Amino acid sequence: DVKVTQSSRYLVKRTGEKVFLECVQDMDHENMFWYRQDPGLGLRLIYFSYDVKMKEKGDIPEGYSVSREKKERFSLILESASTNQTSMYLCASSGLAGANEQFFGPGTRLTVL
Amino acid sequence: LAKITQPISMDSYEGQEVNITCSHNNIATNDYITWYQQFPSQGPRFIIQGYKTKVTNEVASLFIPADRKSSTLSLPRVSLSDTAVYYCLVVTMDSNYQLIWGAGTKLIIKP
Repeated sequence: DVKVTQSSRYLVKRTGEKVFLECVQDMDHENMFWYRQDPGLGLRLIYFSYDVKMKEKGDIPEGYSVSREKKERFSLILESASTNQTSMYLCASSGLAGANEQFFGPGTRLTVL
Repeated sequence: LAKITQPISMDSYEGQEVNITCSHNNIATNDYITWYQQFPSQGPRFIIQGYKTKVTNEVASLFIPADRKSSTLSLPRVSLSDTAVYYCLVVTMDSNYQLIWGAGTKLIIKP
């Protein structure tokens, strides 16, 4: 059974803290994605990666960075968390062809106080 | 760049066929159309994908007219468990790979 796991379901951090969100997939997928999801706005792509150590900015990369040192792991980093980064964060992975089905993790609900 | 519009919400009754339409006026030649379903507290789940005409799988059909400026997700004989948010996604397959998501349609199925 295919699986994308995220390190935490719920996370509470303070403004200015450095935050790491981890995502691991067990499907040997080339592509991995980080989204944030806010009510009424749907899913917005933050970053994606198509290979180890490769990354591309999505629609809203400001305030975020990513790391992909191993194929199965894709990390989202908030260098200095702010209250407007309070959101649901979703990780996904997909196979080689870009239009292929994305498999999503359960999400991390991040609250920045 | 395709801009996506889909209804914010719809409701229907058990046993009915439900059609959710997504508008993507600026879709490009190589773009694909994909639909996802999301339940509360879960990540979205792939339903169906198509490029043109009609695609059918065990859970849904996807109708895409010749001009490809819209697409319709059809759910046959819905049940209460089909209550969810449905997202339309256009994937751009040009050299500039892009994912354009609609804001989602909240579908409520009533008994």
